[in-house]
Amino acid sequence: EVQLVESGGGLVQPGGSLRLSCAVSGFTFTSYWMHWVRQAPGKGLEWVANINQDVSEQYYMDSVKGRFTISRDNAKNSLFLQMNSLRVDDTAVYYCVRGEGFIANYWGKGALVTVSS
Amino acid sequence: DIVMTQSPDSLAVSLGERATINCKSSQSVLSKSNNKDYLAWHQHKPGQPPKLLISWGSTRESGVPDRFTGSGSGTDFTLTISSLQAEDVAVYYCQQHYGAPITFGGGTKVEI
Repeated sequence: EVQLVESGGGLVQPGGSLRLSCAVSGFTFTSYWMHWVRQAPGKGLEWVANINQDVSEQYYMDSVKGRFTISRDNAKNSLFLQMNSLRVDDTAVYYCVRGEGFIANYWGKGALVTVSS
Repeated sequence: DIVMTQSPDSLAVSLGERATINCKSSQSVLSKSNNKDYLAWHQHKPGQPPKLLISWGSTRESGVPDRFTGSGSGTDFTLTISSLQAEDVAVYYCQQHYGAPITFGGGTKVEI
């Protein structure tokens, strides 16, 4: 059974940092792109970043470039999102998503990140 | 960036009736090299993570009921639910998988 389990969410003050983790199982991690997608309260889905199988390619949405870093540990079947200089508008549920290329084809349950003073 | 525009924002459909959701991309997502449309549809039910229904414009994922049909090409796409069931109440999103940045439509809420 495919599983993607996010952790590391929580409440942080504006300007602070948070690191999300995603532990995966049930599939060959090294065969897939991985993505982070978020959903702000009452809003739609918004792609944040992705990374390819061998870590040679990463892409980011414009508003997080220079603040967020996506990474993966293929030996530990884990995906990460380091989030720095957090802003109130980064508040969202962050989903870890397996990708068939750029097709978001399996979603974790999400982790809530709240940026507030 | 490719902008994805969905319509309508919401629709109410009677059980057993047809639901039609439209998605328009700001530029073509049809690849000339393989003649495939890089367009996916996702279903997002309350309290659950989103679920991929259709990719490549019209290819249904395994286990997705055949009442869900994706159609269209280039810049104009449609998701049709042929006979709405109670369990189909959800928000539906189109997503282009043509290139980075990946972009989603704004979503269409389907209600009974």
